[in-house]
Amino acid sequence: QKEVEQDPGPLSVPEGAIVSLNCTYSNSAFQYFMWYRQYSRKGPELLMYTYSSGNKEDGRFTAQVDKSSKYISLFIRDSQPSDSATYLCAMIPPRGQNFVFGPGTRLSVLP
Amino acid sequence: EPEVTQTPSHQVTQMGQEVILRCVPISNHLYFYWYRQILGQKVEFLVSFYNNEISEKSEIFDDQFSVERPDGSNFTLKIRSTKLEDSAMYFCASNDRGGTDTQYFGPGTRLTVL
Repeated sequence: QKEVEQDPGPLSVPEGAIVSLNCTYSNSAFQYFMWYRQYSRKGPELLMYTYSSGNKEDGRFTAQVDKSSKYISLFIRDSQPSDSATYLCAMIPPRGQNFVFGPGTRLSVLP
Repeated sequence: EPEVTQTPSHQVTQMGQEVILRCVPISNHLYFYWYRQILGQKVEFLVSFYNNEISEKSEIFDDQFSVERPDGSNFTLKIRSTKLEDSAMYFCASNDRGGTDTQYFGPGTRLTVL
């Protein structure tokens, strides 16, 4: 089983839709979870950072963590064409400094 | 807003040649990282660096790789003898508290080995 899994997509939605992006992970010791956005041929850009189960909201973005199910989600409300990118979940292993990234989900928001 | 910068944006080299990828981390950051992303694949950790020494490295970071902080601002990744499979995007990242602190990524250097 891979350490972190994401549906690779591509996921295509119309402008204004609510988008749900998900990651599952196998190591129950992961404590810190991040969502990054990566535009084509660019570096990952931090969107959200959470460390506890529950929801965290920032503008149109909501991150949700369910540690009991080892499942994290990112919701995007009122999606825009500029949200079209690859979304990477990342998490930190116990006592590690390096991030473990999921393979990413490619999102396309159609005008 | 401070950001991580990387040069060059694109490097083309012949197999067997040495390359040095350069990064300027955010100025007050103390922890530095290199990641690699082969086209179409996930971002993979290579190495972390703190207090002028490697603090953690992955299996990918073998003897062909080395890192250095030659001065107070630059952080470099050297590949001694490049192989075709080294072709990838290389991202530098930094943060100021290491560990669980979030990392800020540079725009990447695209390395093409011919």
